[in-house]
Amino acid sequence: DVKVTQSSRYLVKRTGEKVFLECVQDMDHENMFWYRQDPGLGLRLIYFSYDVKMKEKGDIPEGYSVSREKKERFSLILESASTNQTSMYLCASSETGGKAGYTFGSGTRLTVV
Amino acid sequence: DQQVKQNSPSLSVQEGRISILNCDYTNSMFDYFLWYKKYPAEGPTFLISISSIKDKNEDGRFTVFLNKSAKHLSLHIVPSQPGDSAVYFCAARRWGSQGNLIFGKGTKLSVKP
Repeated sequence: DVKVTQSSRYLVKRTGEKVFLECVQDMDHENMFWYRQDPGLGLRLIYFSYDVKMKEKGDIPEGYSVSREKKERFSLILESASTNQTSMYLCASSETGGKAGYTFGSGTRLTVV
Repeated sequence: DQQVKQNSPSLSVQEGRISILNCDYTNSMFDYFLWYKKYPAEGPTFLISISSIKDKNEDGRFTVFLNKSAKHLSLHIVPSQPGDSAVYFCAARRWGSQGNLIFGKGTKLSVKP
């Protein structure tokens, strides 16, 4: 039973392309997050959202934007892809308050050539 | 400024022995701590958690210990199995936050048969 779905497992894009990474959750969670994972750097927060149409910058928002038009969907946009954005991108969701913890998607391995 | 630190990038253990993964934190406002496990090309999955009001939580082969005075937690895996080989992330939630987790950089555990 998949709860957080990322649209692509692997993606190859060219430098300068506009890239959309989609994430959908079916748990009615208020919070959604985008991270990237790089060797030796761990999980770094790009953007997060507490509610529909709300977004907050994380630690490394430069070169990225997000969209949350519906509660279940959180999109990450690379405005003009660059090679240093080659990474594993992870989407997660969580509920506000109560028990802490994220549910992660399977990740999207993006390669920018 | 790293608030959650995993100082060992890697750990190698023999099958059947104990694995101990360590995590230090600096913020005394953290109220909940979690461990996630991540296999290559997959998203992290929740493993075990502990509230700051406890000092131990056990789930099968996995036990997490919290030492608040030392701002230190550890994950014990006994006995270790080859399938435990993965990257383990320590995460902490700040009291009163909307659920944002702060992650360590991860420790890669290798369990040798």
